[in-house]
Amino acid sequence: DTGVSQNPRHKITKRGQNVTFRCDPISEHNRLYWYRQTLGQGPEFLTYFQNEAQLEKSRLLSDRFSAERPKGSFSTLEIQRTEQGDSAMYLCASSSTTGGTNEKLFFGSGTQLSVL
Amino acid sequence: AQSVTQLDSHVSVSEGTPVLLRCNYSSSYSPSLFWYVQHPNKGLQLLLKYTSAATLVKGINGFEAEFKKSETSFHLTKPSAHMSDAAEYFCVLGDFGNEKLTFGTGTRLTIIP
Repeated sequence: DTGVSQNPRHKITKRGQNVTFRCDPISEHNRLYWYRQTLGQGPEFLTYFQNEAQLEKSRLLSDRFSAERPKGSFSTLEIQRTEQGDSAMYLCASSSTTGGTNEKLFFGSGTQLSVL
Repeated sequence: AQSVTQLDSHVSVSEGTPVLLRCNYSSSYSPSLFWYVQHPNKGLQLLLKYTSAATLVKGINGFEAEFKKSETSFHLTKPSAHMSDAAEYFCVLGDFGNEKLTFGTGTRLTIIP
């Protein structure tokens, strides 16, 4: 499968624990995005990378959240001291801007986080 | 401020009848607009996109959308619904470089056999 891969598919954790999610983008895609989707809502932008550089972060991304993309390949999203309000589907997407445009994002199936 | 409003949270149509999913947008500049579909346990998939070329945009699986600047609308249509069209549909607004997408709240489409 050459699509965007996210692991794990599901994560259940207790409040106060740390969790880390992984995203493997489509090979050669230089951009990688993280979105969060809560029940009954559309996805909300969290952050994005161009290669290894994190170029923008949403106000939704509190200091308990950190994202990395070492070497411009896979990315990790870590949430420290999880809260019940962090329960959501975390979506990763990737795209290529090599043609000078950025018109199509490819999304993974997401990681569903439940904080008890 | 950028925003997108999907006017119906749930639409039900009979198989073989037309589909209309409504979307209005607000943007301070010429927008990029998209429709994405989300099937259960699958990733979001791009149906079609408008990027200031033709106002009538054709997408995959027989869907199309018309950009109407005067009405700030970008409604999604399909002439004949198929059972496989049952899914959640999102109208999406892009910023200048489409780095940040603003999603609507979604419309759940149900197809009645």
